[in-house]
Amino acid sequence: DADVTQTPRNRITKTGKRIMLECSQTKGHDRMYWYRQDPGLGLRLIYYSFDVKDINKGEISDGYSVSRQAQAKFSLSLESAIPNQTALYFCATSDLSRNEQFFGPGTRLTVL
Amino acid sequence: GNSVTQMEGPVTLSEEAFLTINCTYTATGYPSLFWYVQYPGEGLQLLLKATKADDKGSNKGFEATYRKETTSFHLEKGSVQVSDSAVYFCALRGYGGSQGNLIFGKGTKLSVKP
Repeated sequence: DADVTQTPRNRITKTGKRIMLECSQTKGHDRMYWYRQDPGLGLRLIYYSFDVKDINKGEISDGYSVSRQAQAKFSLSLESAIPNQTALYFCATSDLSRNEQFFGPGTRLTVL
Repeated sequence: GNSVTQMEGPVTLSEEAFLTINCTYTATGYPSLFWYVQYPGEGLQLLLKATKADDKGSNKGFEATYRKETTSFHLEKGSVQVSDSAVYFCALRGYGGSQGNLIFGKGTKLSVKP
């Protein structure tokens, strides 16, 4: 089984809908991250969490919210989706050293 | 703030050609440097890393040397294979708090033709 899983893998939704992307990990890491990937822009950090009670905004948090339900689970929500949130979303984890991040397979989100 | 600049792609090479993907960075202090690779349809995975000046990271035939004097971490491979076709991301990590998060370059897509 994969160490970092994301659900759903693909999602098509309409403008104004609320969407939740879920991430689970079995690596036992405290640190979890949500990134967005757009062609030509690389990966940009949306939110990160160093433990269950510590959640921080990243570079592009506007329009997004997160929930850290447990050490192993970190969810990303789009309260009211808009077309420019169409992107590939990745969850990642790391240990305290942050010398390596482990990525999930990604969720491709399309907002019509 | 910290930033990473890598050469734009796409890069198309023939099998067994030499590969160089340039990466330069801007950072205070002594960041750690990384190359991540993303194969089609997958998430990113760490390819190699270097944590101090003059360190050489290597893996799967790829190498990169941490050059502080030129603030560079260029990725090289002597003989690429079709299976190396992927997107390559250079990244850095500073120290403490939000500075300890990864900053990624925009990625370079490599296509290797048989």
